[in-house]
Amino acid sequence: ELKVEQNPLFLSMQEGKNYTIYCNYSTTSDRLYWYRQDPGKSLESLFVLLSNGAVKQEGRLMASLDTKARLSTLHITAAVHDLSATYFCAVAESGGSNYKLTFGKGTLLTVNP
Amino acid sequence: NAGVMQNPRHLVRRRGQEARLRCSPMKGHSHVYWYRQLPEEGLKFMVYLQKENIIDESGMPKERFSAEFPKEGPSILRIQQVVRGDSAAYFCASSREGLNTEAFFGQGTRLTVV
Repeated sequence: ELKVEQNPLFLSMQEGKNYTIYCNYSTTSDRLYWYRQDPGKSLESLFVLLSNGAVKQEGRLMASLDTKARLSTLHITAAVHDLSATYFCAVAESGGSNYKLTFGKGTLLTVNP
Repeated sequence: NAGVMQNPRHLVRRRGQEARLRCSPMKGHSHVYWYRQLPEEGLKFMVYLQKENIIDESGMPKERFSAEFPKEGPSILRIQQVVRGDSAAYFCASSREGLNTEAFFGQGTRLTVV
């Protein structure tokens, strides 16, 4: 059974600081997603990572994938309050169907002024 | 182009009642997926449907839960004889036909069983 672990689960940081959220998964994967969820809202797709060494950046967020280590990171640069949300990684098992995602428990990020 | 539409957004049911959750996929999308999110947990896959077919229901509880996606109309997730443990947010996602197509999520239905 595919397991996905995120850490930390709770992250409180000051504006302007940098931090990294980690996502480990237990079996080989075809693709890895990062989502953002605001309270009471749906999931917003941030990044899709498809291959070893993939790196994608959007604004203050950068995601990377190391398929050998079965690890993805979401790096936050110079955090701002608007980034406060819960961030999920989700993994599709290699050779499995791409619809059947296994999610981590999420990282609740709070950015304080 | 409207996104994935779910209704109701909030649903309160007494124990033993039935809950019906609806999901209208994005225009042009023929694949629908249901996920459940328990408090402070990630989403867990429940079922994958295409029009008039259940493709994978491996994440559905064996009893009381059923899903359909008729030729016309929204997909329905039905929970019979609800219990407190069914209280959760239920998310629907949809995608186009084809491999490696991205799924887009609706805003979810928050079910509370009292």
